Amino acid sequence: DQQVKQNSPSLSVQEGRISILNCDYTNSMFDYFLWYKKYPAEGPTFLISISSIKDKNEDGRFTVFLNKSAKHLSLHIVPSQPGDSAVYFCAASLGSYKLIFGSGTRLLVRP
Amino acid sequence: DVKVTQSSRYLVKRTGEKVFLECVQDMDHENMFWYRQDPGLGLRLIYFSYDVKMKEKGDIPEGYSVSREKKERFSLILESASTNQTSMYLCASSLLSSRGADTQYFGPGTRLTVL
Repeated sequence: DQQVKQNSPSLSVQEGRISILNCDYTNSMFDYFLWYKKYPAEGPTFLISISSIKDKNEDGRFTVFLNKSAKHLSLHIVPSQPGDSAVYFCAASLGSYKLIFGSGTRLLVRP
Repeated sequence: DVKVTQSSRYLVKRTGEKVFLECVQDMDHENMFWYRQDPGLGLRLIYFSYDVKMKEKGDIPEGYSVSREKKERFSLILESASTNQTSMYLCASSLLSSRGADTQYFGPGTRLTVL
């Protein structure tokens, strides 16, 4: 049973528009959430994180929103650029070393 | 800048062979991890290590073992490779944090094909 779910396997947006990637989780005890970006033939790279005590964290074009009551996490990219085309993974932690990853969403930003 | 390197980018092995995947990190991180990535399944944790000679099973340890003799090096061993172990293998490392989980830094991955 997947504790972290990314229900959209792919997303396509126009350059300059907003990209919204979603992630749902089932365990209310998760205390830390992260987003990773992965290009083909490369390892995932850390993008942005948020603690469960916050509901928003911003870093440049990237903003992560956390809705604890809905057990929902989202990543907003504004404005989207072609270089943002990659697979995005959300991950959650239960206060241990382990991260539990979603299945990923492939984002395509069209020029 | 954290550097995690993996010994091979691509590897082709035959069923039944013993396979070693090596990972080295240069940031003195306490924690090291081995994942496999398969389409539609995301990253699944095989094993992790929080100190030299210490290891814990992840979610899918069957068919794998690990070795951590030095802090910077974490090896994944497939004792007898099978075709269902064809996958992308990713190594990661992180600091020991008071929070528990901390940002993990990944290597480039090894694409293993078992024929």
